[in-house]
Amino acid sequence: DGGITQSPKYLFRKEGQNVTLSCEQNLNHDAMYWYRQDPGQGLRLIYYSQIVNDFQKGDIAEGYSVSREKKESFPLTVTSAQKNPTAFYLCASSSGDKDTQYFGPGTRLTVL
Amino acid sequence: LAKTTQPISMDSYEGQEVNITCSHNNIATNDYITWYQQFPSQGPRFIIQGYKTKVTNEVASLFIPADRKSSTLSLPRVSLSDTAVYYCLVGGVGSQGNLIFGKGTKLSVKP
Repeated sequence: DGGITQSPKYLFRKEGQNVTLSCEQNLNHDAMYWYRQDPGQGLRLIYYSQIVNDFQKGDIAEGYSVSREKKESFPLTVTSAQKNPTAFYLCASSSGDKDTQYFGPGTRLTVL
Repeated sequence: LAKTTQPISMDSYEGQEVNITCSHNNIATNDYITWYQQFPSQGPRFIIQGYKTKVTNEVASLFIPADRKSSTLSLPRVSLSDTAVYYCLVGGVGSQGNLIFGKGTKLSVKP
């Protein structure tokens, strides 16, 4: 099956700890994205990557970091510098053709 | 950067046709219009995309007037399972980092 996988679905961490969220795609898409969604709100772009070894900050990049060492993978690290990390995190990818994005199932991060 | 405006919420009943309109007054020449559907605690799902006139697929139709300053998503004969948030986005090739997901339209379908 082709698609995007995110793991884990639920994640709990103590305040002050860094945590890395996984995102993998086997759609052969060049571009990948990370979004954050808070309750009742739309999606806000954290980081995006158009090609391997390159990525750009989105609207709310502070407190987050990413890497794009492989085309299939775009992990997101939520650092202790992120002041309010509890949220629903969504990963997406696109082929660049008309920028249609395909989303993963999301990871709900709760910081205790 | 094309901004969109949609109603915050809409109510409907099963079996009715639902039309959700999105305004995008400053749409650029190379921008496409894309609609997504999102259920609670899931990632958004692509519904339909168009550039002008009318596009139809197995789940929806998209109507775009000649001036392209608005678009209407039409869902025929909705069911309870169509209760979701619907997002309208505009953007062209190369705008990957600039697509804006607003709050969307929360559609509630009642029996």
